[in-house]
Amino acid sequence: AQSVTQPDIHITVSEGASLELRCNYSYGATPYLFWYVQSPGQGLQLLLKYFSGDTLVQGIKGFEAEFKRSQSSFNLRKPSVHWSDAAEYFCAVGYNAGNMLTFGGGTRLMVKP
Amino acid sequence: DVKVTQSSRYLVKRTGEKVFLECVQDMDHENMFWYRQDPGLGLRLIYFSYDVKMKEKGDIPEGYSVSREKKERFSLILESASTNQTSMYLCASSSDSGGSYEQYFGPGTRLTVT
Repeated sequence: AQSVTQPDIHITVSEGASLELRCNYSYGATPYLFWYVQSPGQGLQLLLKYFSGDTLVQGIKGFEAEFKRSQSSFNLRKPSVHWSDAAEYFCAVGYNAGNMLTFGGGTRLMVKP
Repeated sequence: DVKVTQSSRYLVKRTGEKVFLECVQDMDHENMFWYRQDPGLGLRLIYFSYDVKMKEKGDIPEGYSVSREKKERFSLILESASTNQTSMYLCASSSDSGGSYEQYFGPGTRLTVT
């Protein structure tokens, strides 16, 4: 069975600092990988996804993620965080040809002024 | 823009009540999902549907049922609400075409059972 681990429950960074959110997955086949963001009081919005090809994928809002098969990781990065990035971030692995998702526990990001 | 709407943002019900959570999507998506979101546990799949009148159990179906009589509407039913069903409920939809696999989420319903 597939699983997703987000080791950091909470992260606090200063505005303008760089950010990396960790995601490790377990899945027997080629993974479909996703990062979603949930702003307070909102549903989830897709930031980016990886299916195949270039292992560095670009998403919305200046985010990028790198797929590393050898480490079973799909970490999310942003070079300079803005106060509006404060939210909860979820990593997910797709199975059943990508139609189904298993989510990690989420990482809550706080941004200090 | 894909839009997924949920009937209520906040709901307070008493133990033992029958509760209906409604979800509507406007993009003619084949697939619809109900998740439960709890702190530290992320989202867990309750039920999903890949077609009208079709449903499949997810990871935590106990205490829930679903109904999909029309393609755009997917209902989650708590037959007899219990306090351990206090949670945030998220509906999502996705399309089979285009190879996107992106799920589009509604804003969620925060249910409190007292």
